[in-house]
Amino acid sequence: NAGVTQTPKFQVLKTGQSMTLQCAQDMNHEYMSWYRQDPGMGLRLIHYSVGAGITDQGEVPNGYNVSRSTTEDFPLRLLSAAPSQTSVYFCASSYSISGSTDTQYFGPGTRLTVL
Amino acid sequence: GENVGLHLPTLSVQEGDNSIINCAYSNSASDYFIWYKQESGKGPQFIIDIRSNMDKRQGQRVTVLLNKTVKHLSLQIAATQPGDSAVYFCAEGRNYGQNFVFGPGTRLSVLP
Repeated sequence: NAGVTQTPKFQVLKTGQSMTLQCAQDMNHEYMSWYRQDPGMGLRLIHYSVGAGITDQGEVPNGYNVSRSTTEDFPLRLLSAAPSQTSVYFCASSYSISGSTDTQYFGPGTRLTVL
Repeated sequence: GENVGLHLPTLSVQEGDNSIINCAYSNSASDYFIWYKQESGKGPQFIIDIRSNMDKRQGQRVTVLLNKTVKHLSLQIAATQPGDSAVYFCAEGRNYGQNFVFGPGTRLSVLP
């Protein structure tokens, strides 16, 4: 298994540009999520999904969209990038959904810089 | 990434000594806790977890202690090795749902 994969590893955008961060997992996990990580702060949840066709907002959803058309993929879209979105983005997945807790497996991250 | 942890508290220990990393959590309703290790340029990696019906759990060279009275969690690493150098995060969650709250992290630096 490749686990959780993310592309690209690095990205530089200009203010106002759009882009999609890709995330895929091959572990048949129902739950997937996106976090951002900023210096001196813990991971903050952006959006999450408990299964294909179901998404919901996390702590910091503004400026980001997600979709979950398949179990494997959970892309994160920035419609109009802003400098405040400069961060390292992590995708994570876990087997179980509500009703129990389970370990989340993280991808290697995407470092995004918005100029 | 490389910028993670610029303003983090740092714990420096000698190789071979034991390390204790502390974490205060915020929600008394949290009943599941995880410690993650994050090396530079990589995503967080699961180390050990503990549920609120326990106050201690041991793994390989690691022990997690939970004090619900003061909402405190600690990670003990025995015989710290250079490969243990990383940023360590605690995360708290509740049994229904997967939305964990992460602490800011502590940087562990192992001195030769």
